[in-house]
Amino acid sequence: DQQVKQNSPSLSVQEGRISILNCDYTNSMFDYFLWYKKYPAEGPTFLISISSIKDKNEDGRFTVFLNKSAKHLSLHIVPSQPGDSAVYFCAASVRGAQKLVFGQGTRLTINP
Amino acid sequence: EAGVVQSPRYKIIEKKQPVAFWCNPISGHNTLYWYLQNLGQGPELLIRYENEEAVDDSQLPKDRFSAERLKGVDSTLKIQPAELGDSAVYLCASSSTSGFYNEQFFGPGTRLTVL
Repeated sequence: DQQVKQNSPSLSVQEGRISILNCDYTNSMFDYFLWYKKYPAEGPTFLISISSIKDKNEDGRFTVFLNKSAKHLSLHIVPSQPGDSAVYFCAASVRGAQKLVFGQGTRLTINP
Repeated sequence: EAGVVQSPRYKIIEKKQPVAFWCNPISGHNTLYWYLQNLGQGPELLIRYENEEAVDDSQLPKDRFSAERLKGVDSTLKIQPAELGDSAVYLCASSSTSGFYNEQFFGPGTRLTVL
């Protein structure tokens, strides 16, 4: 039972354009969502998060949108840069549970 | 500030052999996690420690996997005996325990290959 799903294994975007990564979840108890970024041979690093009381959170070039009715969140990166090429994981948690459930990841490639 | 340290970074063993992974969390982080990441998948929690107590080990295959965090700081994850299907990356993460949710910081992982 995959509670957090990233249905696109890979995404290729031209440098300077917008990258949109999508994530769906099934557990309505989830109330905190995070995006992690992972380079090869490194552990995942925290990128941005959003609480279920919000529908948008922005940090520089990165914006996360949450649609609770659709159980869907997305990460927007604009403008995309070559250093953004990595695997991006969506994760979800129930506040206070101290447990993250991860999606399968999406490999983003930014082309010059 | 030093990050989460894991060793070894890579390990190749034959099936049925034992193997152990070590993790040193960020100083002051009371919560420590071990995750399993299979190829093409996201990390999956194996066990979570609050100080020296294992508070969530429901996903740990206890017939062959064991873990300890004796002094509430560093931790060891062991597999005995290893099977071919155990080939994966084993990630350690840590977080502080203040507030409702705490960002988890990951180490670089140990890539295990079982032949």
